[in-house]
Amino acid sequence: QKEVEQNSGPLSVPEGAIASLNCTYSDRGSQSFFWYRQYSGKSPELIMFIYSNGDKEDGRFTAQLNKASQYVSLLIRDSQPSDSATYLCAVNMGNFGNEKLTFGTGTRLTIIP
Amino acid sequence: DADVTQTPRNRITKTGKRIMLECSQTKGHDRMYWYRQDPGLGLRLIYYSFDVKDINKGEISDGYSVSRQAQAKFSLSLESAIPNQTALYFCATSDLGGQETQYFGPGTRLLVL
Repeated sequence: QKEVEQNSGPLSVPEGAIASLNCTYSDRGSQSFFWYRQYSGKSPELIMFIYSNGDKEDGRFTAQLNKASQYVSLLIRDSQPSDSATYLCAVNMGNFGNEKLTFGTGTRLTIIP
Repeated sequence: DADVTQTPRNRITKTGKRIMLECSQTKGHDRMYWYRQDPGLGLRLIYYSFDVKDINKGEISDGYSVSRQAQAKFSLSLESAIPNQTALYFCATSDLGGQETQYFGPGTRLLVL
């Protein structure tokens, strides 16, 4: 069973601090990794994606990949109350031509003003 | 207008009834997906379609069927609804060459009594 695992939280972080979210995955051959943000009752929205060739920074968000240990992290700098949401990690798994996303169960993040 | 739309947005039905959830997209993507989301269980794939002539079962397809009427339309049917199908249902799309970045519709909240 190919899996993606996340700590469900809740993770509480003071406003202005760095929030660090992690995700481990089971398929060593995975090449692409995604972070989605989901507000309560809303649909997931893509924050960032990275490929196996490197990390990525976009504004306050940084996604990092550690292939040897098979985990992906998302760092949110200068956390804002609007960052309070559930963050879903997703990993592209499967044979070539039949790849599908496998989602973790999400980490609930709360930013404390 | 939203790129991925779902109808209805909310639905209450009774055990044993047949219902259909519809998804339309204007993104021009080939791939479409149906997920359900339950608290603590994350997003689980029900069915997916890589093009109009391709339909595949996901991890939890029992009790569901789908129809890909056109590139832009993908419908999910519950042949005989049961209470444990109460959930939030999402449709998603992705581009064949997009490394599986998926874009989600707003969701349908279904309650089976």
